[in-house]
Amino acid sequence: GAVVSQHPSWVICKSGTSVKIECRSLDFQATTMFWYRQFPKQSLMLMATSNEGSKATYEQGVEKDKFLINHASLTLSTLTVTSAHPEDSSFYICSARGLIKEAFFGQGTRLTVV
Amino acid sequence: AQKITQTQPGMFVQEKEAVTLDCTYDTSDPSYGLFWYKQPSSGEMIFLIYQGSYDQQNATEGRYSLNFQKARKSANLVISASQLGDSAMYFCAMREGLDNTDKLIFGTGTRLQVFP
Repeated sequence: GAVVSQHPSWVICKSGTSVKIECRSLDFQATTMFWYRQFPKQSLMLMATSNEGSKATYEQGVEKDKFLINHASLTLSTLTVTSAHPEDSSFYICSARGLIKEAFFGQGTRLTVV
Repeated sequence: AQKITQTQPGMFVQEKEAVTLDCTYDTSDPSYGLFWYKQPSSGEMIFLIYQGSYDQQNATEGRYSLNFQKARKSANLVISASQLGDSAMYFCAMREGLDNTDKLIFGTGTRLQVFP
């Protein structure tokens, strides 16, 4: 299947700092990328949908000013958690889709805010 | 109302046996897609199988098959000849519409444990 690379795999940051997570489609052009959040032992909750070159569409209840999403090219989307707090600690995972039915996922990023 | 329902929080199966993971869905859109993903402890989401709402036959991918019963709105995953490496969380997901920009909605997952 297609390869989606997410970096970093895990990150620990201090409360109040910002963290950037990258999602790259390595062997296809991703017209759409999705960002999910997963709390321990829970399902994936969609945070936002981003299309290349346009503003992201956020799900209800997701603060767009806190979770900045940039999809500047067909192979890269970034999620920046601004002014992170301990309650932002979670597993963040992206998926990318091109002209195929399936959405392929990155490896996920485990964020811990201390 | 829940769009995707997985009623089994956990399942056990003996190695080499078959196991069925249940999934029911709710949509009024005639065009939709159903997906199953596997999530091992490492966290990555591994695509297993896809079924389109207009597909006439049940999808199969190796040891995975999808028992698609449209009238009952169910899309159960059948894993044949279970292996120890199949132990993981399994998520059912649905995409309404056939547009590639449409989002996936996930169920709550089923934790499968395969024992020797």
